[in-house]
Amino acid sequence: AQSVTQLGSHVSVSEGALVLLRCNYSSSVPPYLFWYVQYPNQGLQLLLKYTSAATLVKGINGFEAEFKKSETSFHLTKPSAHMSDAAEYFCAVSPNAGGTSYGKLTFGQGTILTVHP
Amino acid sequence: EPEVTQTPSHQVTQMGQEVILRCVPISNHLYFYWYRQILGQKVEFLVSFYNNEISEKSEIFDDQFSVERPDGSNFTLKIRSTKLEDSAMYFCACLGAPSTDTQYFGPGTRLTVL
Repeated sequence: AQSVTQLGSHVSVSEGALVLLRCNYSSSVPPYLFWYVQYPNQGLQLLLKYTSAATLVKGINGFEAEFKKSETSFHLTKPSAHMSDAAEYFCAVSPNAGGTSYGKLTFGQGTILTVHP
Repeated sequence: EPEVTQTPSHQVTQMGQEVILRCVPISNHLYFYWYRQILGQKVEFLVSFYNNEISEKSEIFDDQFSVERPDGSNFTLKIRSTKLEDSAMYFCACLGAPSTDTQYFGPGTRLTVL
């Protein structure tokens, strides 16, 4: 079974400040890890993914995340927040192998990011 | 870039009515999924579908739910007798070449059950 915990349902930062959104996972098999962003009244957009290659992953809009197996973490960071980054962010995990659960995403609770001017 | 489409964008129905939510996945993708998101909550897996049959389903996906791929392009989710608690955003997703590790999501259908 897989699960995801996102620490902090709300994170508030000032424009230009560092963004850090925390994600810890639990998985009995090697995972793939993802961060998705959801703007109000919109669908899910992939920010970045970890799929067993480099542990530091760069995504769109200046975001990056580092896979740390020893800490079972996949925290999302951005050096300098923009107003346009305000949205809800979801961390998700899926199995990296075939089988009936292939591709099945298990999501965290989400973190709402607020950016203050 | 290919995209997943869903119709309708918003469906309002009376409790007990049947609804069909439609999705057109990316054409060469082979794995299909439905997820739902109740307002203010996380996205939850409902069902996965491959080779014209269900691969896995969650506890949410009870006998009131069904999926099919009737014509090789559309992928539908049917709720036979809607309940108030079925009100949610329903997302379709698909997976396939060239990126076999990333699901592509549709924009969602907001279902409101009155």
